[in-house]
Amino acid sequence: QQQVKQSPQSLIVQKGGISIINCAYENTAFDYFPWYQQFPGKGPALLIAIRPDVSEKKEGRFTISFNKSAKQFSLHIMDSQPGDSATYFCAATPRGGATNKLIFGTGTLLAVQP
Amino acid sequence: NAGVMQNPRHLVRRRGQEARLRCSPMKGHSHVYWYRQLPEEGLKFMVYLQKENIIDESGMPKERFSAEFPKEGPSILRIQQVVRGDSAAYFCASSPLPGLGNNEQFFGPGTRLTVL
Repeated sequence: QQQVKQSPQSLIVQKGGISIINCAYENTAFDYFPWYQQFPGKGPALLIAIRPDVSEKKEGRFTISFNKSAKQFSLHIMDSQPGDSATYFCAATPRGGATNKLIFGTGTLLAVQP
Repeated sequence: NAGVMQNPRHLVRRRGQEARLRCSPMKGHSHVYWYRQLPEEGLKFMVYLQKENIIDESGMPKERFSAEFPKEGPSILRIQQVVRGDSAAYFCASSPLPGLGNNEQFFGPGTRLTVL
């Protein structure tokens, strides 16, 4: 069964620090790797995404690092702010499918302390 | 500039009743996905629909659950004879035509179902 494993389950970071969340997948049949941010009581919102032909993608304070050989990808939040406190989900889309369904990790609850 | 709309936002049902969850995709989107989020867990894919067609229902429980996306009107996720284990947040997402390099799915605010 296709799976995406995410760690840590929760993370506490001081304001201005770097938040790092890691994900790993078990097979090579994925070709799209998004990160979603979810605030309590809200739906997930796309934060940043990467395809496997790129090793890194940066958008503002958010960076995805992708290691194809290790089947791992991570989200780095630079200069973390209290407003970044939310649950973050990594996800992956199976390659070649007609549905583009998302396979989600279990989530990381990030708390940025002021 | 309405996003994905879901209603109701909160739904309470007693065991054995039916739950109907509605989703209106973003304007111009004709592809709808339903996901379920159990407490303290990630989202699990349930079903993917295009107008009048179910394309992938591999994540849908075989019994009591059904989904539709009619030519007119919202997509409906229907749960018959609900049980306490159905208590969860149900999210709908929509996208433009997939498979053209655009995988982004836009999520609604969810319907939180509580089964008493």
